[in-house]
Amino acid sequence: SQQGEEDPQALSIQEGENATMNCSYKTSINNLQWYRQNSGRGLVHLILIRSNEREKHSGRLRVTLDTSKKSSSLLITASRAADTASYFCATGDGNNRLAFGKGNQVVVIP
Amino acid sequence: DAGITQSPRHKVTETGTPVTLRCHQTENHRYMYWYRQDPGHGLRLIHYSYGVKDTDKGEVSDGYSVSRSKTEDFLLTLESATSSQTSVYFCAISDKGQGAYEQYFGPGTRLTVT
Repeated sequence: SQQGEEDPQALSIQEGENATMNCSYKTSINNLQWYRQNSGRGLVHLILIRSNEREKHSGRLRVTLDTSKKSSSLLITASRAADTASYFCATGDGNNRLAFGKGNQVVVIP
Repeated sequence: DAGITQSPRHKVTETGTPVTLRCHQTENHRYMYWYRQDPGHGLRLIHYSYGVKDTDKGEVSDGYSVSRSKTEDFLLTLESATSSQTSVYFCAISDKGQGAYEQYFGPGTRLTVT
């Protein structure tokens, strides 16, 4: 299984600060995705980065991928209270399945 | 939630009873998935479907069966529910196959087996 593993598991920051989360995985991947889950809701796709890409941006999100280290990072800039959620990385191996990490709880304090 | 509904949203059932959860989509996406979410485990894939009547097992398929008789519906059945199947169940859909494209998730079903 190429399950992603997020680090740190829990993060508490002040509004306006940047939040960085890391994800590591064990096997080769086709792509890596990040999802957000607000309390009691389903997951929402944030961003996808392919194995041949090193960095990708989407609004206040920046994702990097280092395939040599089998790791990815998600940066949320200028955090807002609405960013309070759990964040999951998921790896795709080119087949029809994703493997999710255990999630990373982020709390943004207003 | 991208045209995905799950029913019921909450259910309490007794050990040994059969339970069926339904996922319904209006997006005409080819791929559908059932996950369970438990504290400390993240999301784990139970079964998935890559077309009508085409299904395959995920990493935690024991005790579960699925059926897909039409594109829009994907049913998850617990033949004889056990307490270890108490969980939150999520359905997801994807258009091109999850290896390369994002998934859209339903709101979840909270199942309690007493």
